Amino acid sequence: QPVLTQSSSASASLGSSVKLTCTLSSGHSSYIIAWHQQQPGKAPRYLMKLEGSGSYNKGSGVPDRFSGSSSGADRYLTISNLQSEDEADYYCETWDSNTRVFGGGTKLTVL
Amino acid sequence: QVTLKESGPVLVKPTETLTLTCTVSGFSLSNARMGVSWIRQPPGKALEWLAHIFSNDEKSYSTSLKSRLTISKDTSKSQVVLTMTNMDPVDTATYYCARTSSSIPDYWGQGTLVTVSS
Repeated sequence: QPVLTQSSSASASLGSSVKLTCTLSSGHSSYIIAWHQQQPGKAPRYLMKLEGSGSYNKGSGVPDRFSGSSSGADRYLTISNLQSEDEADYYCETWDSNTRVFGGGTKLTVL
Repeated sequence: QVTLKESGPVLVKPTETLTLTCTVSGFSLSNARMGVSWIRQPPGKALEWLAHIFSNDEKSYSTSLKSRLTISKDTSKSQVVLTMTNMDPVDTATYYCARTSSSIPDYWGQGTLVTVSS
């Protein structure tokens, strides 16, 4: 069963960029993941699907400021030109034939 | 427009069985690419996947909660139902359902808060 590891927190200044990391466990480095955003008090929102090749497909209405990339077992979410509304928890998720798994989430603070 | 909406009791007593319903619109549960997951989130904590049902009625469950969970669907009503037995205060959480399309989790419901207390 895959395991996803995320840093518990990150911070960056308004207008800058930030790169969040989600790391797949050993033996699962080829897995596709999804990134979700959860703003305070709201339900999660799907941001994108991200493959091991670095190819990503964003959900409907996700701003161009959000992009994805990959390196080995690491999956990245980059947010450019940070806005105040980007302050949120970010979760990665992966799956196989009989299970789905979430990372522990990264709380992003916009300074 | 794809929507999912969770419904069920806001308060359950310890040892009772919780039944939650996810009513979907904008897609069919019989579509071969579609599935629905249940996920929960205790207050202030991370998301936890609970169960998933595929269009062909195959089911999968969290290993740690498998003995307490049952997921089912009624395609004609566009509903997916989750039951969880022997509820405990630690099961207090917001419960979400989410659609998967070709396994990609692309739409979430608004969630429903369930409190377990006597």
